[in-house]
Amino acid sequence: GAGVSQSPSNKVTEKGKDVELRCDPISGHTALYWYRQSLGQGLEFLIYFQGNSAPDKSGLPSDRFSAERTGGSVSTLTIQRTQQEDSAVYLCASKGGRSSYEQYFGPGTRLTVT
Amino acid sequence: QKEVEQDPGPLSVPEGAIVSLNCTYSNSAFQYFMWYRQYSRKGPELLMYTYSSGNKEDGRFTAQVDKSSKYISLFIRDSQPSDSATYLCAMSSLTQGGSEKLVFGKGMKLTVNP
Repeated sequence: GAGVSQSPSNKVTEKGKDVELRCDPISGHTALYWYRQSLGQGLEFLIYFQGNSAPDKSGLPSDRFSAERTGGSVSTLTIQRTQQEDSAVYLCASKGGRSSYEQYFGPGTRLTVT
Repeated sequence: QKEVEQDPGPLSVPEGAIVSLNCTYSNSAFQYFMWYRQYSRKGPELLMYTYSSGNKEDGRFTAQVDKSSKYISLFIRDSQPSDSATYLCAMSSLTQGGSEKLVFGKGMKLTVNP
């Protein structure tokens, strides 16, 4: 079946612009995560959605970052006033629910801020 | 000290070699221990999962957990060129908001030469 998809696969933007990154999780998966993967830093947790519960935003690095999940499915990560240090690969993952343990990752969006 | 430490390598071995990848951690609350494999320009995929001390074997792969030493390992026997990838250890923890998240090591880039 279809896996997690993300768009765009690559995004180049100028410093100060806003960007939106999209994630389509696996159908029926209630949990959705956003991570950031920077060179030499590994994967860093950003935000977590579980069903209709309020999202856990404890990993967002600043108030320039926000995310929403519409209808319990598609999610959008927005970065406002982008900075060069925001350059990274942004990965989305979904899993079947609280009792599931495996997170299925998308291919990521490679963001470059010039 | 970071919660999870992993030597980022890179590591280059000849085909057929036994590979040992290791991570140490500092948080005694970690409950589940995983190894993810990430090919270039792809998202991570779950390779091994365990929650108790001891060994778990799956084909050419063996995951080892030593909770008393806070140390986990992944062994790859008869390594193949197709094993060339970045290997990330991951451990489950709770976010400040009380939800589950994965804490990743930085990843070890492995190249198996034919």
